[in-house]
Amino acid sequence: GNSVTQMEGPVTLSEEAFLTINCTYTATGYPSLFWYVQYPGEGLQLLLKATKADDKGSNKGFEATYRKETTSFHLEKGSVQVSDSAVYFCALSHNTGNQFYFGTGTSLTVIP
Amino acid sequence: GAVVSQHPSWVICKSGTSVKIECRSLDFQATTMFWYRQFPKQSLMLMATSNEGSKATYEQGVEKDKFLINHASLTLSTLTVTSAHPEDSSFYICSAGGGTGEGSPLHFGNGTRLTVT
Repeated sequence: GNSVTQMEGPVTLSEEAFLTINCTYTATGYPSLFWYVQYPGEGLQLLLKATKADDKGSNKGFEATYRKETTSFHLEKGSVQVSDSAVYFCALSHNTGNQFYFGTGTSLTVIP
Repeated sequence: GAVVSQHPSWVICKSGTSVKIECRSLDFQATTMFWYRQFPKQSLMLMATSNEGSKATYEQGVEKDKFLINHASLTLSTLTVTSAHPEDSSFYICSAGGGTGEGSPLHFGNGTRLTVT
């Protein structure tokens, strides 16, 4: 089957710290992988994506690399800001019918 | 980029009344939309898949008579919470896909905070 597992939160970091949020997946075939971000009181926004092995998605200083050998798509940022405080969701899709599978979300709080 | 508009952003209603939430794709057509419910501690639960011109597909454990979904056009899906009770209080989010090609993302509305008193 298809599933996504991401690290439990909440995660609290000081401003300018390095961020890693782990995400691993189980899937048949070759899915596309996504990270979404949800700011307080809002819906989810696409942060970045990768569609095949070894692809790196990047946006707003965040990066994630599609690792087929470890079935992982870990989210990283070198220097977090207070404005990065949000909930981050890892997801996969097989591109047919837009069926997405989401992880449980990881809450990040960045303190000044 | 593709925009999904959800309305209202929050609503308070009395127990026993019904509430309708609208989800519109503003600049693209969506034959399929998805309705999620978000629980405390942020986990997303897919409630149903809304198909334009046909009946919605509900996930196991979701009462279709309580959560009525109508997808009457390619740009509008509605979720009606019928005879709402306090336990229906939650954050409801809709989404729609802008395509089915490789890497096509889901686009989300901003959610509706429902409080049933």
